[in-house]
Amino acid sequence: ETGVTQSPTHLIKTRGQQVTLRCSSQSGHNTVSWYQQALGQGPQFIFQYYREEENGRGNFPPRFSGLQFPNYSSELNVNALELDDSALYLCASSLTSGGYNEQFFGPGTRLTVL
Amino acid sequence: AQSVTQLDSQVPVFEEAPVELRCNYSSSVSVYLFWYVQYPNQGLQLLLKYLSGSTLVKGINGFEAEFNKSQTSFHLRKPSVHISDTAEYFCAVTLFNDYKLSFGAGTTVTVRA
Repeated sequence: ETGVTQSPTHLIKTRGQQVTLRCSSQSGHNTVSWYQQALGQGPQFIFQYYREEENGRGNFPPRFSGLQFPNYSSELNVNALELDDSALYLCASSLTSGGYNEQFFGPGTRLTVL
Repeated sequence: AQSVTQLDSQVPVFEEAPVELRCNYSSSVSVYLFWYVQYPNQGLQLLLKYLSGSTLVKGINGFEAEFNKSQTSFHLRKPSVHISDTAEYFCAVTLFNDYKLSFGAGTTVTVRA
């Protein structure tokens, strides 16, 4: 059984650019959540996708957007990058939506904005 | 909205000694509680979770946690740590009818020989 994978591992961008991060969910999982983890902090919830629809959103501006595909893989897009967007971006998949479901995390994508 | 406070940012401990990591949450409704571990340059791995039932929860790698509703706490313990337990530990909470996890700021555990 393949776990959650993310690509790329590392990424360096400059302010104002756009970035796309990718996540492949664990087999059989239909829900993907994205989190931002700044250095020295806990992960912050960005949004969740359930069966290709956005299921909920945290306190992030609209320039953070996402997609979920029919195979339940997902993308996180960030437009107009700012220095504060530098962080580890974590993707987590779960069997279905609902807080009681265990979320399985990928290794993350380290984004650096210069 | 729910929130999580991890009371210790860093916990140094000697090998084979016990360790306790403290976590308090705030919520006016029922919650689910989780402890995750993050090893360097890796994602998060679930150690244990409390959904309902017994307030003492046992997890992987010899960890256990106790849910205390009156004190709104969910402290994590291990009776004897190993060098390999050196990692970042996160407490997380989600509301009974919610979907997103709210994490604490994390506790860095450093185990010394």
